[in-house]
Amino acid sequence: DQQVKQNSPSLRVQEGRISILNCDYTNSMFDYFLWYKKYPAEGPTFLISISSIKDKNEDGRFTVFLNKSAKHLSLHIVPSQPGDSAVYFCAASGGTYKYIFGTGTRLKVLA
Amino acid sequence: ETGVTQSPTHLIKTRGQQVTLRCSSQSGHNTVSWYQQALGQGPQFIFQYYREEENGRGNFPPRFSGLQFPNYSSELNVNALELDDSALYLCASSLWGRKTQYFGPGTRLLVL
Repeated sequence: DQQVKQNSPSLRVQEGRISILNCDYTNSMFDYFLWYKKYPAEGPTFLISISSIKDKNEDGRFTVFLNKSAKHLSLHIVPSQPGDSAVYFCAASGGTYKYIFGTGTRLKVLA
Repeated sequence: ETGVTQSPTHLIKTRGQQVTLRCSSQSGHNTVSWYQQALGQGPQFIFQYYREEENGRGNFPPRFSGLQFPNYSSELNVNALELDDSALYLCASSLWGRKTQYFGPGTRLLVL
Protein backbone atom coordinates (compact mmCIF):
# COMPACT_ATOMS: atom_id res chain seq x y z
CA ASP A 1 0.00 0.00 0.00
CA GLN A 2 1.59 3.21 -1.21
CA GLN A 3 0.93 5.77 1.53
CA VAL A 4 2.67 8.59 -0.34
CA LYS A 5 1.99 8.98 -4.05
CA GLN A 6 3.51 11.14 -6.73
CA ASN A 7 1.26 10.43 -9.67
CA SER A 8 3.25 12.34 -12.28
CA PRO A 9 6.44 10.48 -13.15
CA SER A 10 7.72 13.39 -15.21
CA LEU A 11 7.18 17.08 -15.84
CA ARG A 12 8.62 19.41 -18.48
CA VAL A 13 8.60 23.17 -17.90
CA GLN A 14 10.03 26.10 -19.79
CA GLU A 15 12.76 28.10 -18.09
CA GLY A 16 11.31 31.05 -16.15
CA ARG A 17 7.90 29.48 -15.76
CA ILE A 18 6.41 27.89 -12.65
CA SER A 19 6.98 24.21 -11.86
CA ILE A 20 4.32 22.53 -9.74
CA LEU A 21 5.04 19.10 -8.32
CA ASN A 22 2.26 17.25 -6.54
CA CYS A 23 2.11 14.66 -3.80
CA ASP A 24 -0.82 12.85 -2.21
CA TYR A 25 -0.86 10.87 1.02
CA THR A 26 -3.34 8.56 2.67
CA ASN A 27 -2.28 8.42 6.31
CA SER A 28 -3.91 11.18 8.39
CA MET A 29 -1.31 10.59 11.13
CA PHE A 30 1.43 12.16 9.00
CA ASP A 31 2.38 15.48 10.57
CA TYR A 32 5.58 16.50 8.81
CA PHE A 33 6.39 16.61 5.13
CA LEU A 34 9.59 17.21 3.22
CA TRP A 35 10.73 17.64 -0.35
CA TYR A 36 14.05 16.31 -1.54
CA LYS A 37 15.81 16.84 -4.86
CA LYS A 38 18.02 14.14 -6.34
CA TYR A 39 20.57 14.42 -9.11
CA PRO A 40 21.98 11.29 -10.76
CA ALA A 41 24.77 9.62 -8.77
CA GLU A 42 24.05 11.77 -5.72
CA GLY A 43 21.97 11.29 -2.59
CA PRO A 44 18.73 13.21 -2.04
CA THR A 45 19.26 16.84 -1.04
CA PHE A 46 16.84 18.42 1.42
CA LEU A 47 14.88 21.28 -0.12
CA ILE A 48 12.04 22.40 2.11
CA SER A 49 9.69 21.05 4.74
CA ILE A 50 6.34 21.84 6.29
CA SER A 51 4.64 20.90 9.52
CA SER A 52 0.98 19.98 9.56
CA ILE A 53 0.21 23.04 11.69
CA LYS A 54 1.01 25.22 8.67
CA ASP A 55 -0.45 25.35 5.20
CA LYS A 56 2.43 27.13 3.48
CA ASN A 57 6.18 27.43 3.80
CA GLU A 58 8.41 29.51 1.59
CA ASP A 59 12.15 29.49 0.99
CA GLY A 60 13.37 31.63 -1.87
CA ARG A 61 12.09 30.22 -5.15
CA PHE A 62 10.55 27.21 -3.41
CA THR A 63 7.14 27.15 -1.75
CA VAL A 64 5.38 24.13 -0.32
CA PHE A 65 1.61 24.12 0.15
CA LEU A 66 -0.22 21.66 2.37
CA ASN A 67 -3.93 20.89 2.10
CA LYS A 68 -4.69 18.61 5.02
CA SER A 69 -8.34 18.07 4.18
CA ALA A 70 -7.37 16.83 0.70
CA LYS A 71 -4.24 15.06 2.01
CA HIS A 72 -2.29 16.83 -0.70
CA LEU A 73 0.88 18.84 -0.85
CA SER A 74 2.60 20.61 -3.67
CA LEU A 75 5.97 22.16 -4.36
CA HIS A 76 6.09 25.32 -6.45
CA ILE A 77 9.34 26.47 -8.04
CA VAL A 78 9.27 30.02 -9.39
CA PRO A 79 11.00 30.86 -11.64
CA SER A 80 12.20 27.48 -12.85
CA GLN A 81 15.84 27.20 -13.91
CA PRO A 82 17.65 24.53 -15.95
CA GLY A 83 19.65 23.63 -12.82
CA ASP A 84 16.39 22.58 -11.17
CA SER A 85 16.21 19.58 -13.51
CA ALA A 86 16.30 16.58 -11.19
CA VAL A 87 14.07 13.96 -9.57
CA TYR A 88 11.94 15.38 -6.74
CA PHE A 89 10.72 13.20 -3.89
CA CYS A 90 8.15 14.07 -1.29
CA ALA A 91 8.36 12.33 2.06
CA ALA A 92 6.04 12.14 5.05
CA SER A 93 6.55 11.37 8.71
CA GLY A 94 3.99 10.59 11.40
CA GLY A 95 5.79 11.49 14.57
CA THR A 96 7.95 8.41 14.32
CA TYR A 97 11.48 7.85 13.23
CA LYS A 98 10.96 7.00 9.60
CA TYR A 99 9.94 8.75 6.43
CA ILE A 100 7.70 7.32 3.76
CA PHE A 101 8.80 8.47 0.32
CA GLY A 102 6.90 8.85 -2.90
CA THR A 103 8.23 7.37 -6.13
CA GLY A 104 9.50 10.71 -7.40
CA THR A 105 8.77 13.12 -10.25
CA ARG A 106 11.46 13.84 -12.84
CA LEU A 107 11.47 17.56 -13.62
CA LYS A 108 13.05 18.80 -16.82
CA VAL A 109 13.41 22.57 -17.18
CA LEU A 110 13.92 23.53 -20.79
CA ALA A 111 16.23 26.42 -21.63
CA GLU B 1 30.79 21.21 8.36
CA THR B 2 31.33 17.71 6.96
CA GLY B 3 28.41 16.12 5.16
CA VAL B 4 27.30 12.51 5.20
CA THR B 5 29.76 10.18 3.50
CA GLN B 6 29.32 6.57 2.44
CA SER B 7 31.65 3.84 1.27
CA PRO B 8 32.11 2.15 -1.04
CA THR B 9 30.39 3.98 -3.90
CA HIS B 10 29.81 0.81 -5.92
CA LEU B 11 29.90 -2.87 -5.08
CA ILE B 12 29.30 -6.10 -6.95
CA LYS B 13 28.49 -9.30 -5.04
CA THR B 14 27.11 -12.70 -5.89
CA ARG B 15 23.99 -14.29 -4.50
CA GLY B 16 24.49 -15.78 -1.02
CA GLN B 17 27.39 -13.53 -0.10
CA GLN B 18 27.46 -11.00 2.70
CA VAL B 19 28.10 -7.27 2.39
CA THR B 20 28.97 -4.41 4.76
CA LEU B 21 28.25 -0.80 3.84
CA ARG B 22 29.59 2.14 5.81
CA CYS B 23 28.36 5.60 6.67
CA SER B 24 29.82 8.60 8.46
CA SER B 25 27.25 11.01 9.85
CA GLN B 26 27.24 14.73 9.30
CA SER B 27 29.22 16.52 11.98
CA GLY B 28 27.16 16.89 15.16
CA HIS B 29 24.47 14.40 14.15
CA ASN B 30 23.76 11.50 16.51
CA THR B 31 21.08 9.58 14.65
CA VAL B 32 21.49 7.56 11.47
CA SER B 33 18.89 5.96 9.23
CA TRP B 34 19.37 3.55 6.34
CA TYR B 35 17.19 3.37 3.23
CA GLN B 36 17.05 1.10 0.20
CA GLN B 37 16.17 2.66 -3.15
CA ALA B 38 15.31 0.26 -5.93
CA LEU B 39 15.33 1.47 -9.52
CA GLY B 40 12.38 3.75 -10.26
CA GLN B 41 11.24 3.79 -6.64
CA GLY B 42 11.57 6.14 -3.71
CA PRO B 43 13.82 5.32 -0.77
CA GLN B 44 12.40 2.69 1.60
CA PHE B 45 13.22 2.87 5.30
CA ILE B 46 15.31 -0.05 6.62
CA PHE B 47 16.12 1.02 10.19
CA GLN B 48 17.35 3.83 12.38
CA TYR B 49 20.06 3.89 15.04
CA TYR B 50 20.40 6.18 18.02
CA ARG B 51 22.75 5.74 20.97
CA GLU B 52 24.15 2.63 19.29
CA GLU B 53 20.79 0.86 19.39
CA GLU B 54 18.20 0.16 16.75
CA ASN B 55 15.42 2.70 17.25
CA GLY B 56 12.97 1.47 14.67
CA ARG B 57 12.77 -0.84 11.69
CA GLY B 58 10.94 -0.98 8.39
CA ASN B 59 9.66 -4.04 6.58
CA PHE B 60 13.02 -5.75 6.02
CA PRO B 61 14.06 -9.27 7.11
CA PRO B 62 16.55 -9.93 9.92
CA ARG B 63 19.36 -10.59 7.43
CA PHE B 64 19.52 -6.80 7.22
CA SER B 65 21.31 -5.66 10.36
CA GLY B 66 23.20 -2.60 11.48
CA LEU B 67 25.58 -1.07 13.92
CA GLN B 68 26.19 2.43 15.21
CA PHE B 69 29.51 3.31 16.78
CA PRO B 70 30.32 5.80 19.57
CA ASN B 71 31.45 8.34 16.96
CA TYR B 72 27.97 7.98 15.37
CA SER B 73 29.29 6.30 12.23
CA SER B 74 27.28 3.31 11.13
CA GLU B 75 27.32 0.05 9.18
CA LEU B 76 24.64 -1.79 7.28
CA ASN B 77 25.19 -5.54 6.95
CA VAL B 78 23.24 -7.74 4.60
CA ASN B 79 23.63 -11.53 4.81
CA ALA B 80 22.65 -14.17 2.27
CA LEU B 81 22.36 -11.66 -0.55
CA GLU B 82 19.51 -12.09 -3.01
CA LEU B 83 19.20 -10.70 -6.52
CA ASP B 84 16.44 -8.32 -5.32
CA ASP B 85 18.89 -6.70 -2.91
CA SER B 86 20.42 -4.91 -5.88
CA ALA B 87 19.68 -1.25 -5.16
CA LEU B 88 21.08 2.08 -4.04
CA TYR B 89 21.60 2.09 -0.28
CA LEU B 90 21.31 5.49 1.33
CA CYS B 91 22.39 6.60 4.74
CA ALA B 92 20.84 9.69 6.34
CA SER B 93 21.90 11.45 9.51
CA SER B 94 20.02 13.79 11.79
CA LEU B 95 19.99 15.22 15.25
CA TRP B 96 17.77 13.27 17.62
CA GLY B 97 14.40 15.00 17.89
CA ARG B 98 14.87 17.00 14.71
CA LYS B 99 12.78 16.06 11.75
CA THR B 100 15.09 16.74 8.82
CA GLN B 101 17.42 13.99 7.66
CA TYR B 102 20.45 14.62 5.47
CA PHE B 103 21.47 11.99 2.98
CA GLY B 104 24.80 10.69 1.79
CA PRO B 105 25.55 9.92 -1.87
CA GLY B 106 24.68 6.25 -1.47
CA THR B 107 26.28 2.90 -2.25
CA ARG B 108 25.11 1.14 -5.39
CA LEU B 109 25.01 -2.62 -4.81
CA LEU B 110 24.67 -5.10 -7.63
CA VAL B 111 23.97 -8.73 -6.76
CA LEU B 112 24.66 -11.23 -9.54
